[in-house]
Amino acid sequence: DQQVKQNSPSLSVQEGRISILNCDYTNSMFDYFLWYKKYPAEGPTFLISISSIKDKNEDGRFTVFLNKSAKHLSLHIVPSQPGDSAVYFCAASSGGGADGLTFGKGTHLIIQP
Amino acid sequence: DSGVTQTPKHLITATGQRVTLRCSPRSGDLSVYWYQQSLDQGLQFLIQYYNGEERAKGNILERFSAQQFPDLHSELNLSSLELGDSALYFCASSVAGGDYGYTFGSGTRLTVV
Repeated sequence: DQQVKQNSPSLSVQEGRISILNCDYTNSMFDYFLWYKKYPAEGPTFLISISSIKDKNEDGRFTVFLNKSAKHLSLHIVPSQPGDSAVYFCAASSGGGADGLTFGKGTHLIIQP
Repeated sequence: DSGVTQTPKHLITATGQRVTLRCSPRSGDLSVYWYQQSLDQGLQFLIQYYNGEERAKGNILERFSAQQFPDLHSELNLSSLELGDSALYFCASSVAGGDYGYTFGSGTRLTVV
């Protein structure tokens, strides 16, 4: 039973446009959500996070939106750059995060010139 | 270099064998997490140690075990290996037990033949 779902295995976006990566979750106990970025042959790198008490968090070109009623979050990257080409993982946590994170399967973002 | 060191980077072994994966956390980090990423799967949380003590358990098989030593490095032991254990194994570390934005190592790729 997948509690965190990323339904798009891949996404292709033109350089300079907006990239929108989506994530859905089923566990209503999740109270913290994160996005990680992963390049080949490297470990995931923390990108941005959001607490369930907020509906938006921004960090430079990256914005995460949380819709608790829909159990949905999204990551917006504006503008998209070639270096953004990577696999993006959505992750969620409950109970303070001490019990590990639940990850989605990832979305491979490809930025085309 | 994330500061989290995992060795070896690659490991090929036969079914039924036992292997040990090693992780040195980032300097100052007390928590170590182990994750497994099988083909086309998200990262699955296995186990967490905090300052030498087991803190949380995820989907870790009974054939697998881990420990964290006084110098804070950690080892993940996998025994009676099966073909399905072939995966990328990631270690991550954080300062405290509930620190979300933890740092991943680059992983150990285990191939069971």
